[in-house]
Amino acid sequence: KAGVTQTPRYLIKTRGQQVTLSCSPISGHRSVSWYQQTPGQGLQFLFEYFSETQRNKGNFPGRFSGRQFSNSRSEMNVSTLELGDSALYLCASSLAAGTAETQYFGPGTRLLVL
Amino acid sequence: EDKVVQSPLSLVVHEGDTVTLNCSYEVTNFRSLLWYKQEKKAPTFLFMLTSSGIEKKSGRLSSILDKKELFSILNITATQTGDSAIYLCAVEAVKTGANNLFFGTGTRLTVIP
Repeated sequence: KAGVTQTPRYLIKTRGQQVTLSCSPISGHRSVSWYQQTPGQGLQFLFEYFSETQRNKGNFPGRFSGRQFSNSRSEMNVSTLELGDSALYLCASSLAAGTAETQYFGPGTRLLVL
Repeated sequence: EDKVVQSPLSLVVHEGDTVTLNCSYEVTNFRSLLWYKQEKKAPTFLFMLTSSGIEKKSGRLSSILDKKELFSILNITATQTGDSAIYLCAVEAVKTGANNLFFGTGTRLTVIP
């Protein structure tokens, strides 16, 4: 069974641009969560989607948005990029929503904002 | 404010040593505490703890939760170089519509031969 895949793996953008990251969950998984990981703040929850609906949202500004498609694939968008958005963005999928112990993480997208 | 604090931030040990990693938390509506190992990019799940005093064990790794004192420890005995990684502690809370999984910043463990 293929694992969680994220594209692209690496990305360089400049301040003010926008970026879209993609996450394909494990086949059959309907829940996708997104996290931001930085050395200073650690792993922080962004949002969780289940069956195309956002279930939970972390404490991030409105520049961070996401969506989930009918095939459970999810995208995350960050608009008006800031230097502080440089981070590793991880997504995780699970069969059901709200089951942290059964989440499988993807390899992440490393975003560098210059 | 909900928070999870891990200590130490980093640790360097020799192969064969035993290490103890700490995780303390202040999270309302606690549901569970989870430990992950992050070697390169993707964290992998180690343990989930929900009840105080019950040790979870997997090979050389074990973990226990104290819900009264709000902390957990992760023990690794007879460490090997393959144990080198960042160990993350997370607390899951019962919250609707908001963040319900809070991570610590992790402990970076380096095991030298």
